[in-house]
Amino acid sequence: AQSVTQLGSHVSVSEGALVLLRCNYSSSVPPYLFWYVQYPNQGLQLLLKYTTGATLVKGINGFEAEFKKSETSFHLTKPSAHMSDAAEYFCAVSEKDKIIFGKGTRLHILP
Amino acid sequence: KAGVTQTPRYLIKTRGQQVTLSCSPISGHRSVSWYQQTPGQGLQFLFEYFSETQRNKGNFPGRFSGRQFSNSRSEMNVSTLELGDSALYLCASNLNPLGNNEQFFGPGTRLTVL
Repeated sequence: AQSVTQLGSHVSVSEGALVLLRCNYSSSVPPYLFWYVQYPNQGLQLLLKYTTGATLVKGINGFEAEFKKSETSFHLTKPSAHMSDAAEYFCAVSEKDKIIFGKGTRLHILP
Repeated sequence: KAGVTQTPRYLIKTRGQQVTLSCSPISGHRSVSWYQQTPGQGLQFLFEYFSETQRNKGNFPGRFSGRQFSNSRSEMNVSTLELGDSALYLCASNLNPLGNNEQFFGPGTRLTVL
């Protein structure tokens, strides 16, 4: 069965510092993987997705994620955090016709 | 293109009542999924409709039901409300059934049960 684990329900980084949000998944078949972002009082917005091909995926707002099959991970990174990145981030795995979301990581940006 | 719209945005009900939430997908999208979002459980999948048929259902009691109309608009109904039903209910639309495609989310309906 699919599952998604996001390490850390809250992560704080200083403005300008590296952002690293961790996501591990389990799937019985090659998965499709997603990162979504949710700003306050809004729905979720797709940041990036991995389906097949290149394992390093670039998304919007300078975010990227690397699919590592051997580690069953899909961590999200951004080289330099900006105040506007403060939001909740969700990792998701899709298998055939179901999508499972992680519990989310709230990213705090410190001035 | 207009995004996914959900009405109402906020709702306050009391225990035992029932509630109906509405979702209008992006024009041309035929798949609509519903999620319940709570601080403790995160996003939990309720059900997915495609071309007026329920394709998938999550692990929620029968008090939670939904339907989809011929214009792809969807409604979700919760009967006999409980305090634990307080949550943000998100609707997402998709061009095709769930899979490797991006879902487009609405802003949600925040339901408070007193």
